[in-house]
Amino acid sequence: GENVEQHPSTLSVQEGDSAVIKCTYSDSASNYFPWYKQELGKRPQLIIDIRSNVGEKKDQRIAVTLNKTAKHFSLHITETQPEDSAVYFCAASQTQGGSEKLVFGKGTKLTVNP
Amino acid sequence: ETGVTQTPRHLVMGMTNKKSLKCEQHLGHNAMYWYKQSAKKPLELMFVYNFKEQTENNSVPSRFSPECPNSSHLFLHLHTLQPEDSALYLCASSQRAGGDTGELFFGEGSRLTVL
Repeated sequence: GENVEQHPSTLSVQEGDSAVIKCTYSDSASNYFPWYKQELGKRPQLIIDIRSNVGEKKDQRIAVTLNKTAKHFSLHITETQPEDSAVYFCAASQTQGGSEKLVFGKGTKLTVNP
Repeated sequence: ETGVTQTPRHLVMGMTNKKSLKCEQHLGHNAMYWYKQSAKKPLELMFVYNFKEQTENNSVPSRFSPECPNSSHLFLHLHTLQPEDSALYLCASSQRAGGDTGELFFGEGSRLTVL
């Protein structure tokens, strides 16, 4: 089955700096790679996703890159703000018959210091 | 609001008790999921239902018994649990048919403590 590794487990940056979180996956058949943000005490929420026919996707200050050959993908946050502090989870999946079997990484706790 | 509600939000039970977690989605989605979130294994998939049919059982012990009477409701029946089952149980739903993404919409979770 799919296995997703995520690094680093914790990341501390100064406000305004960039943050990068990296994930690798094992199953070459995976074709969907979302990123979820979970603030303390709240539910995980999708912030950006990418499919295997795209190499990069950007949405304002966040971007995700995908390297299918190397089986890794990364989340980039620029101009970080204190409200970006949260746990970020990457995931990989294949769509199966109309539902997603997402396998998540262990999460990265990002702290943005004012 | 994401449209996925879970009850109860907190539950404390003994190892011999029987209890149930409930999830309801108001989004018209066709797939529903149970995830377990603990410090050791964050966001671990347990069960997947697609159009109320179970499509995934991720080697979950039989002391966890899911039930999906329709596409909007999902239950997790609990019996003879172990202390290591203490965790946050998250329900989620998604809509894939005809959609462009498989975004999961999570509920707030049910915090379970097994004594």
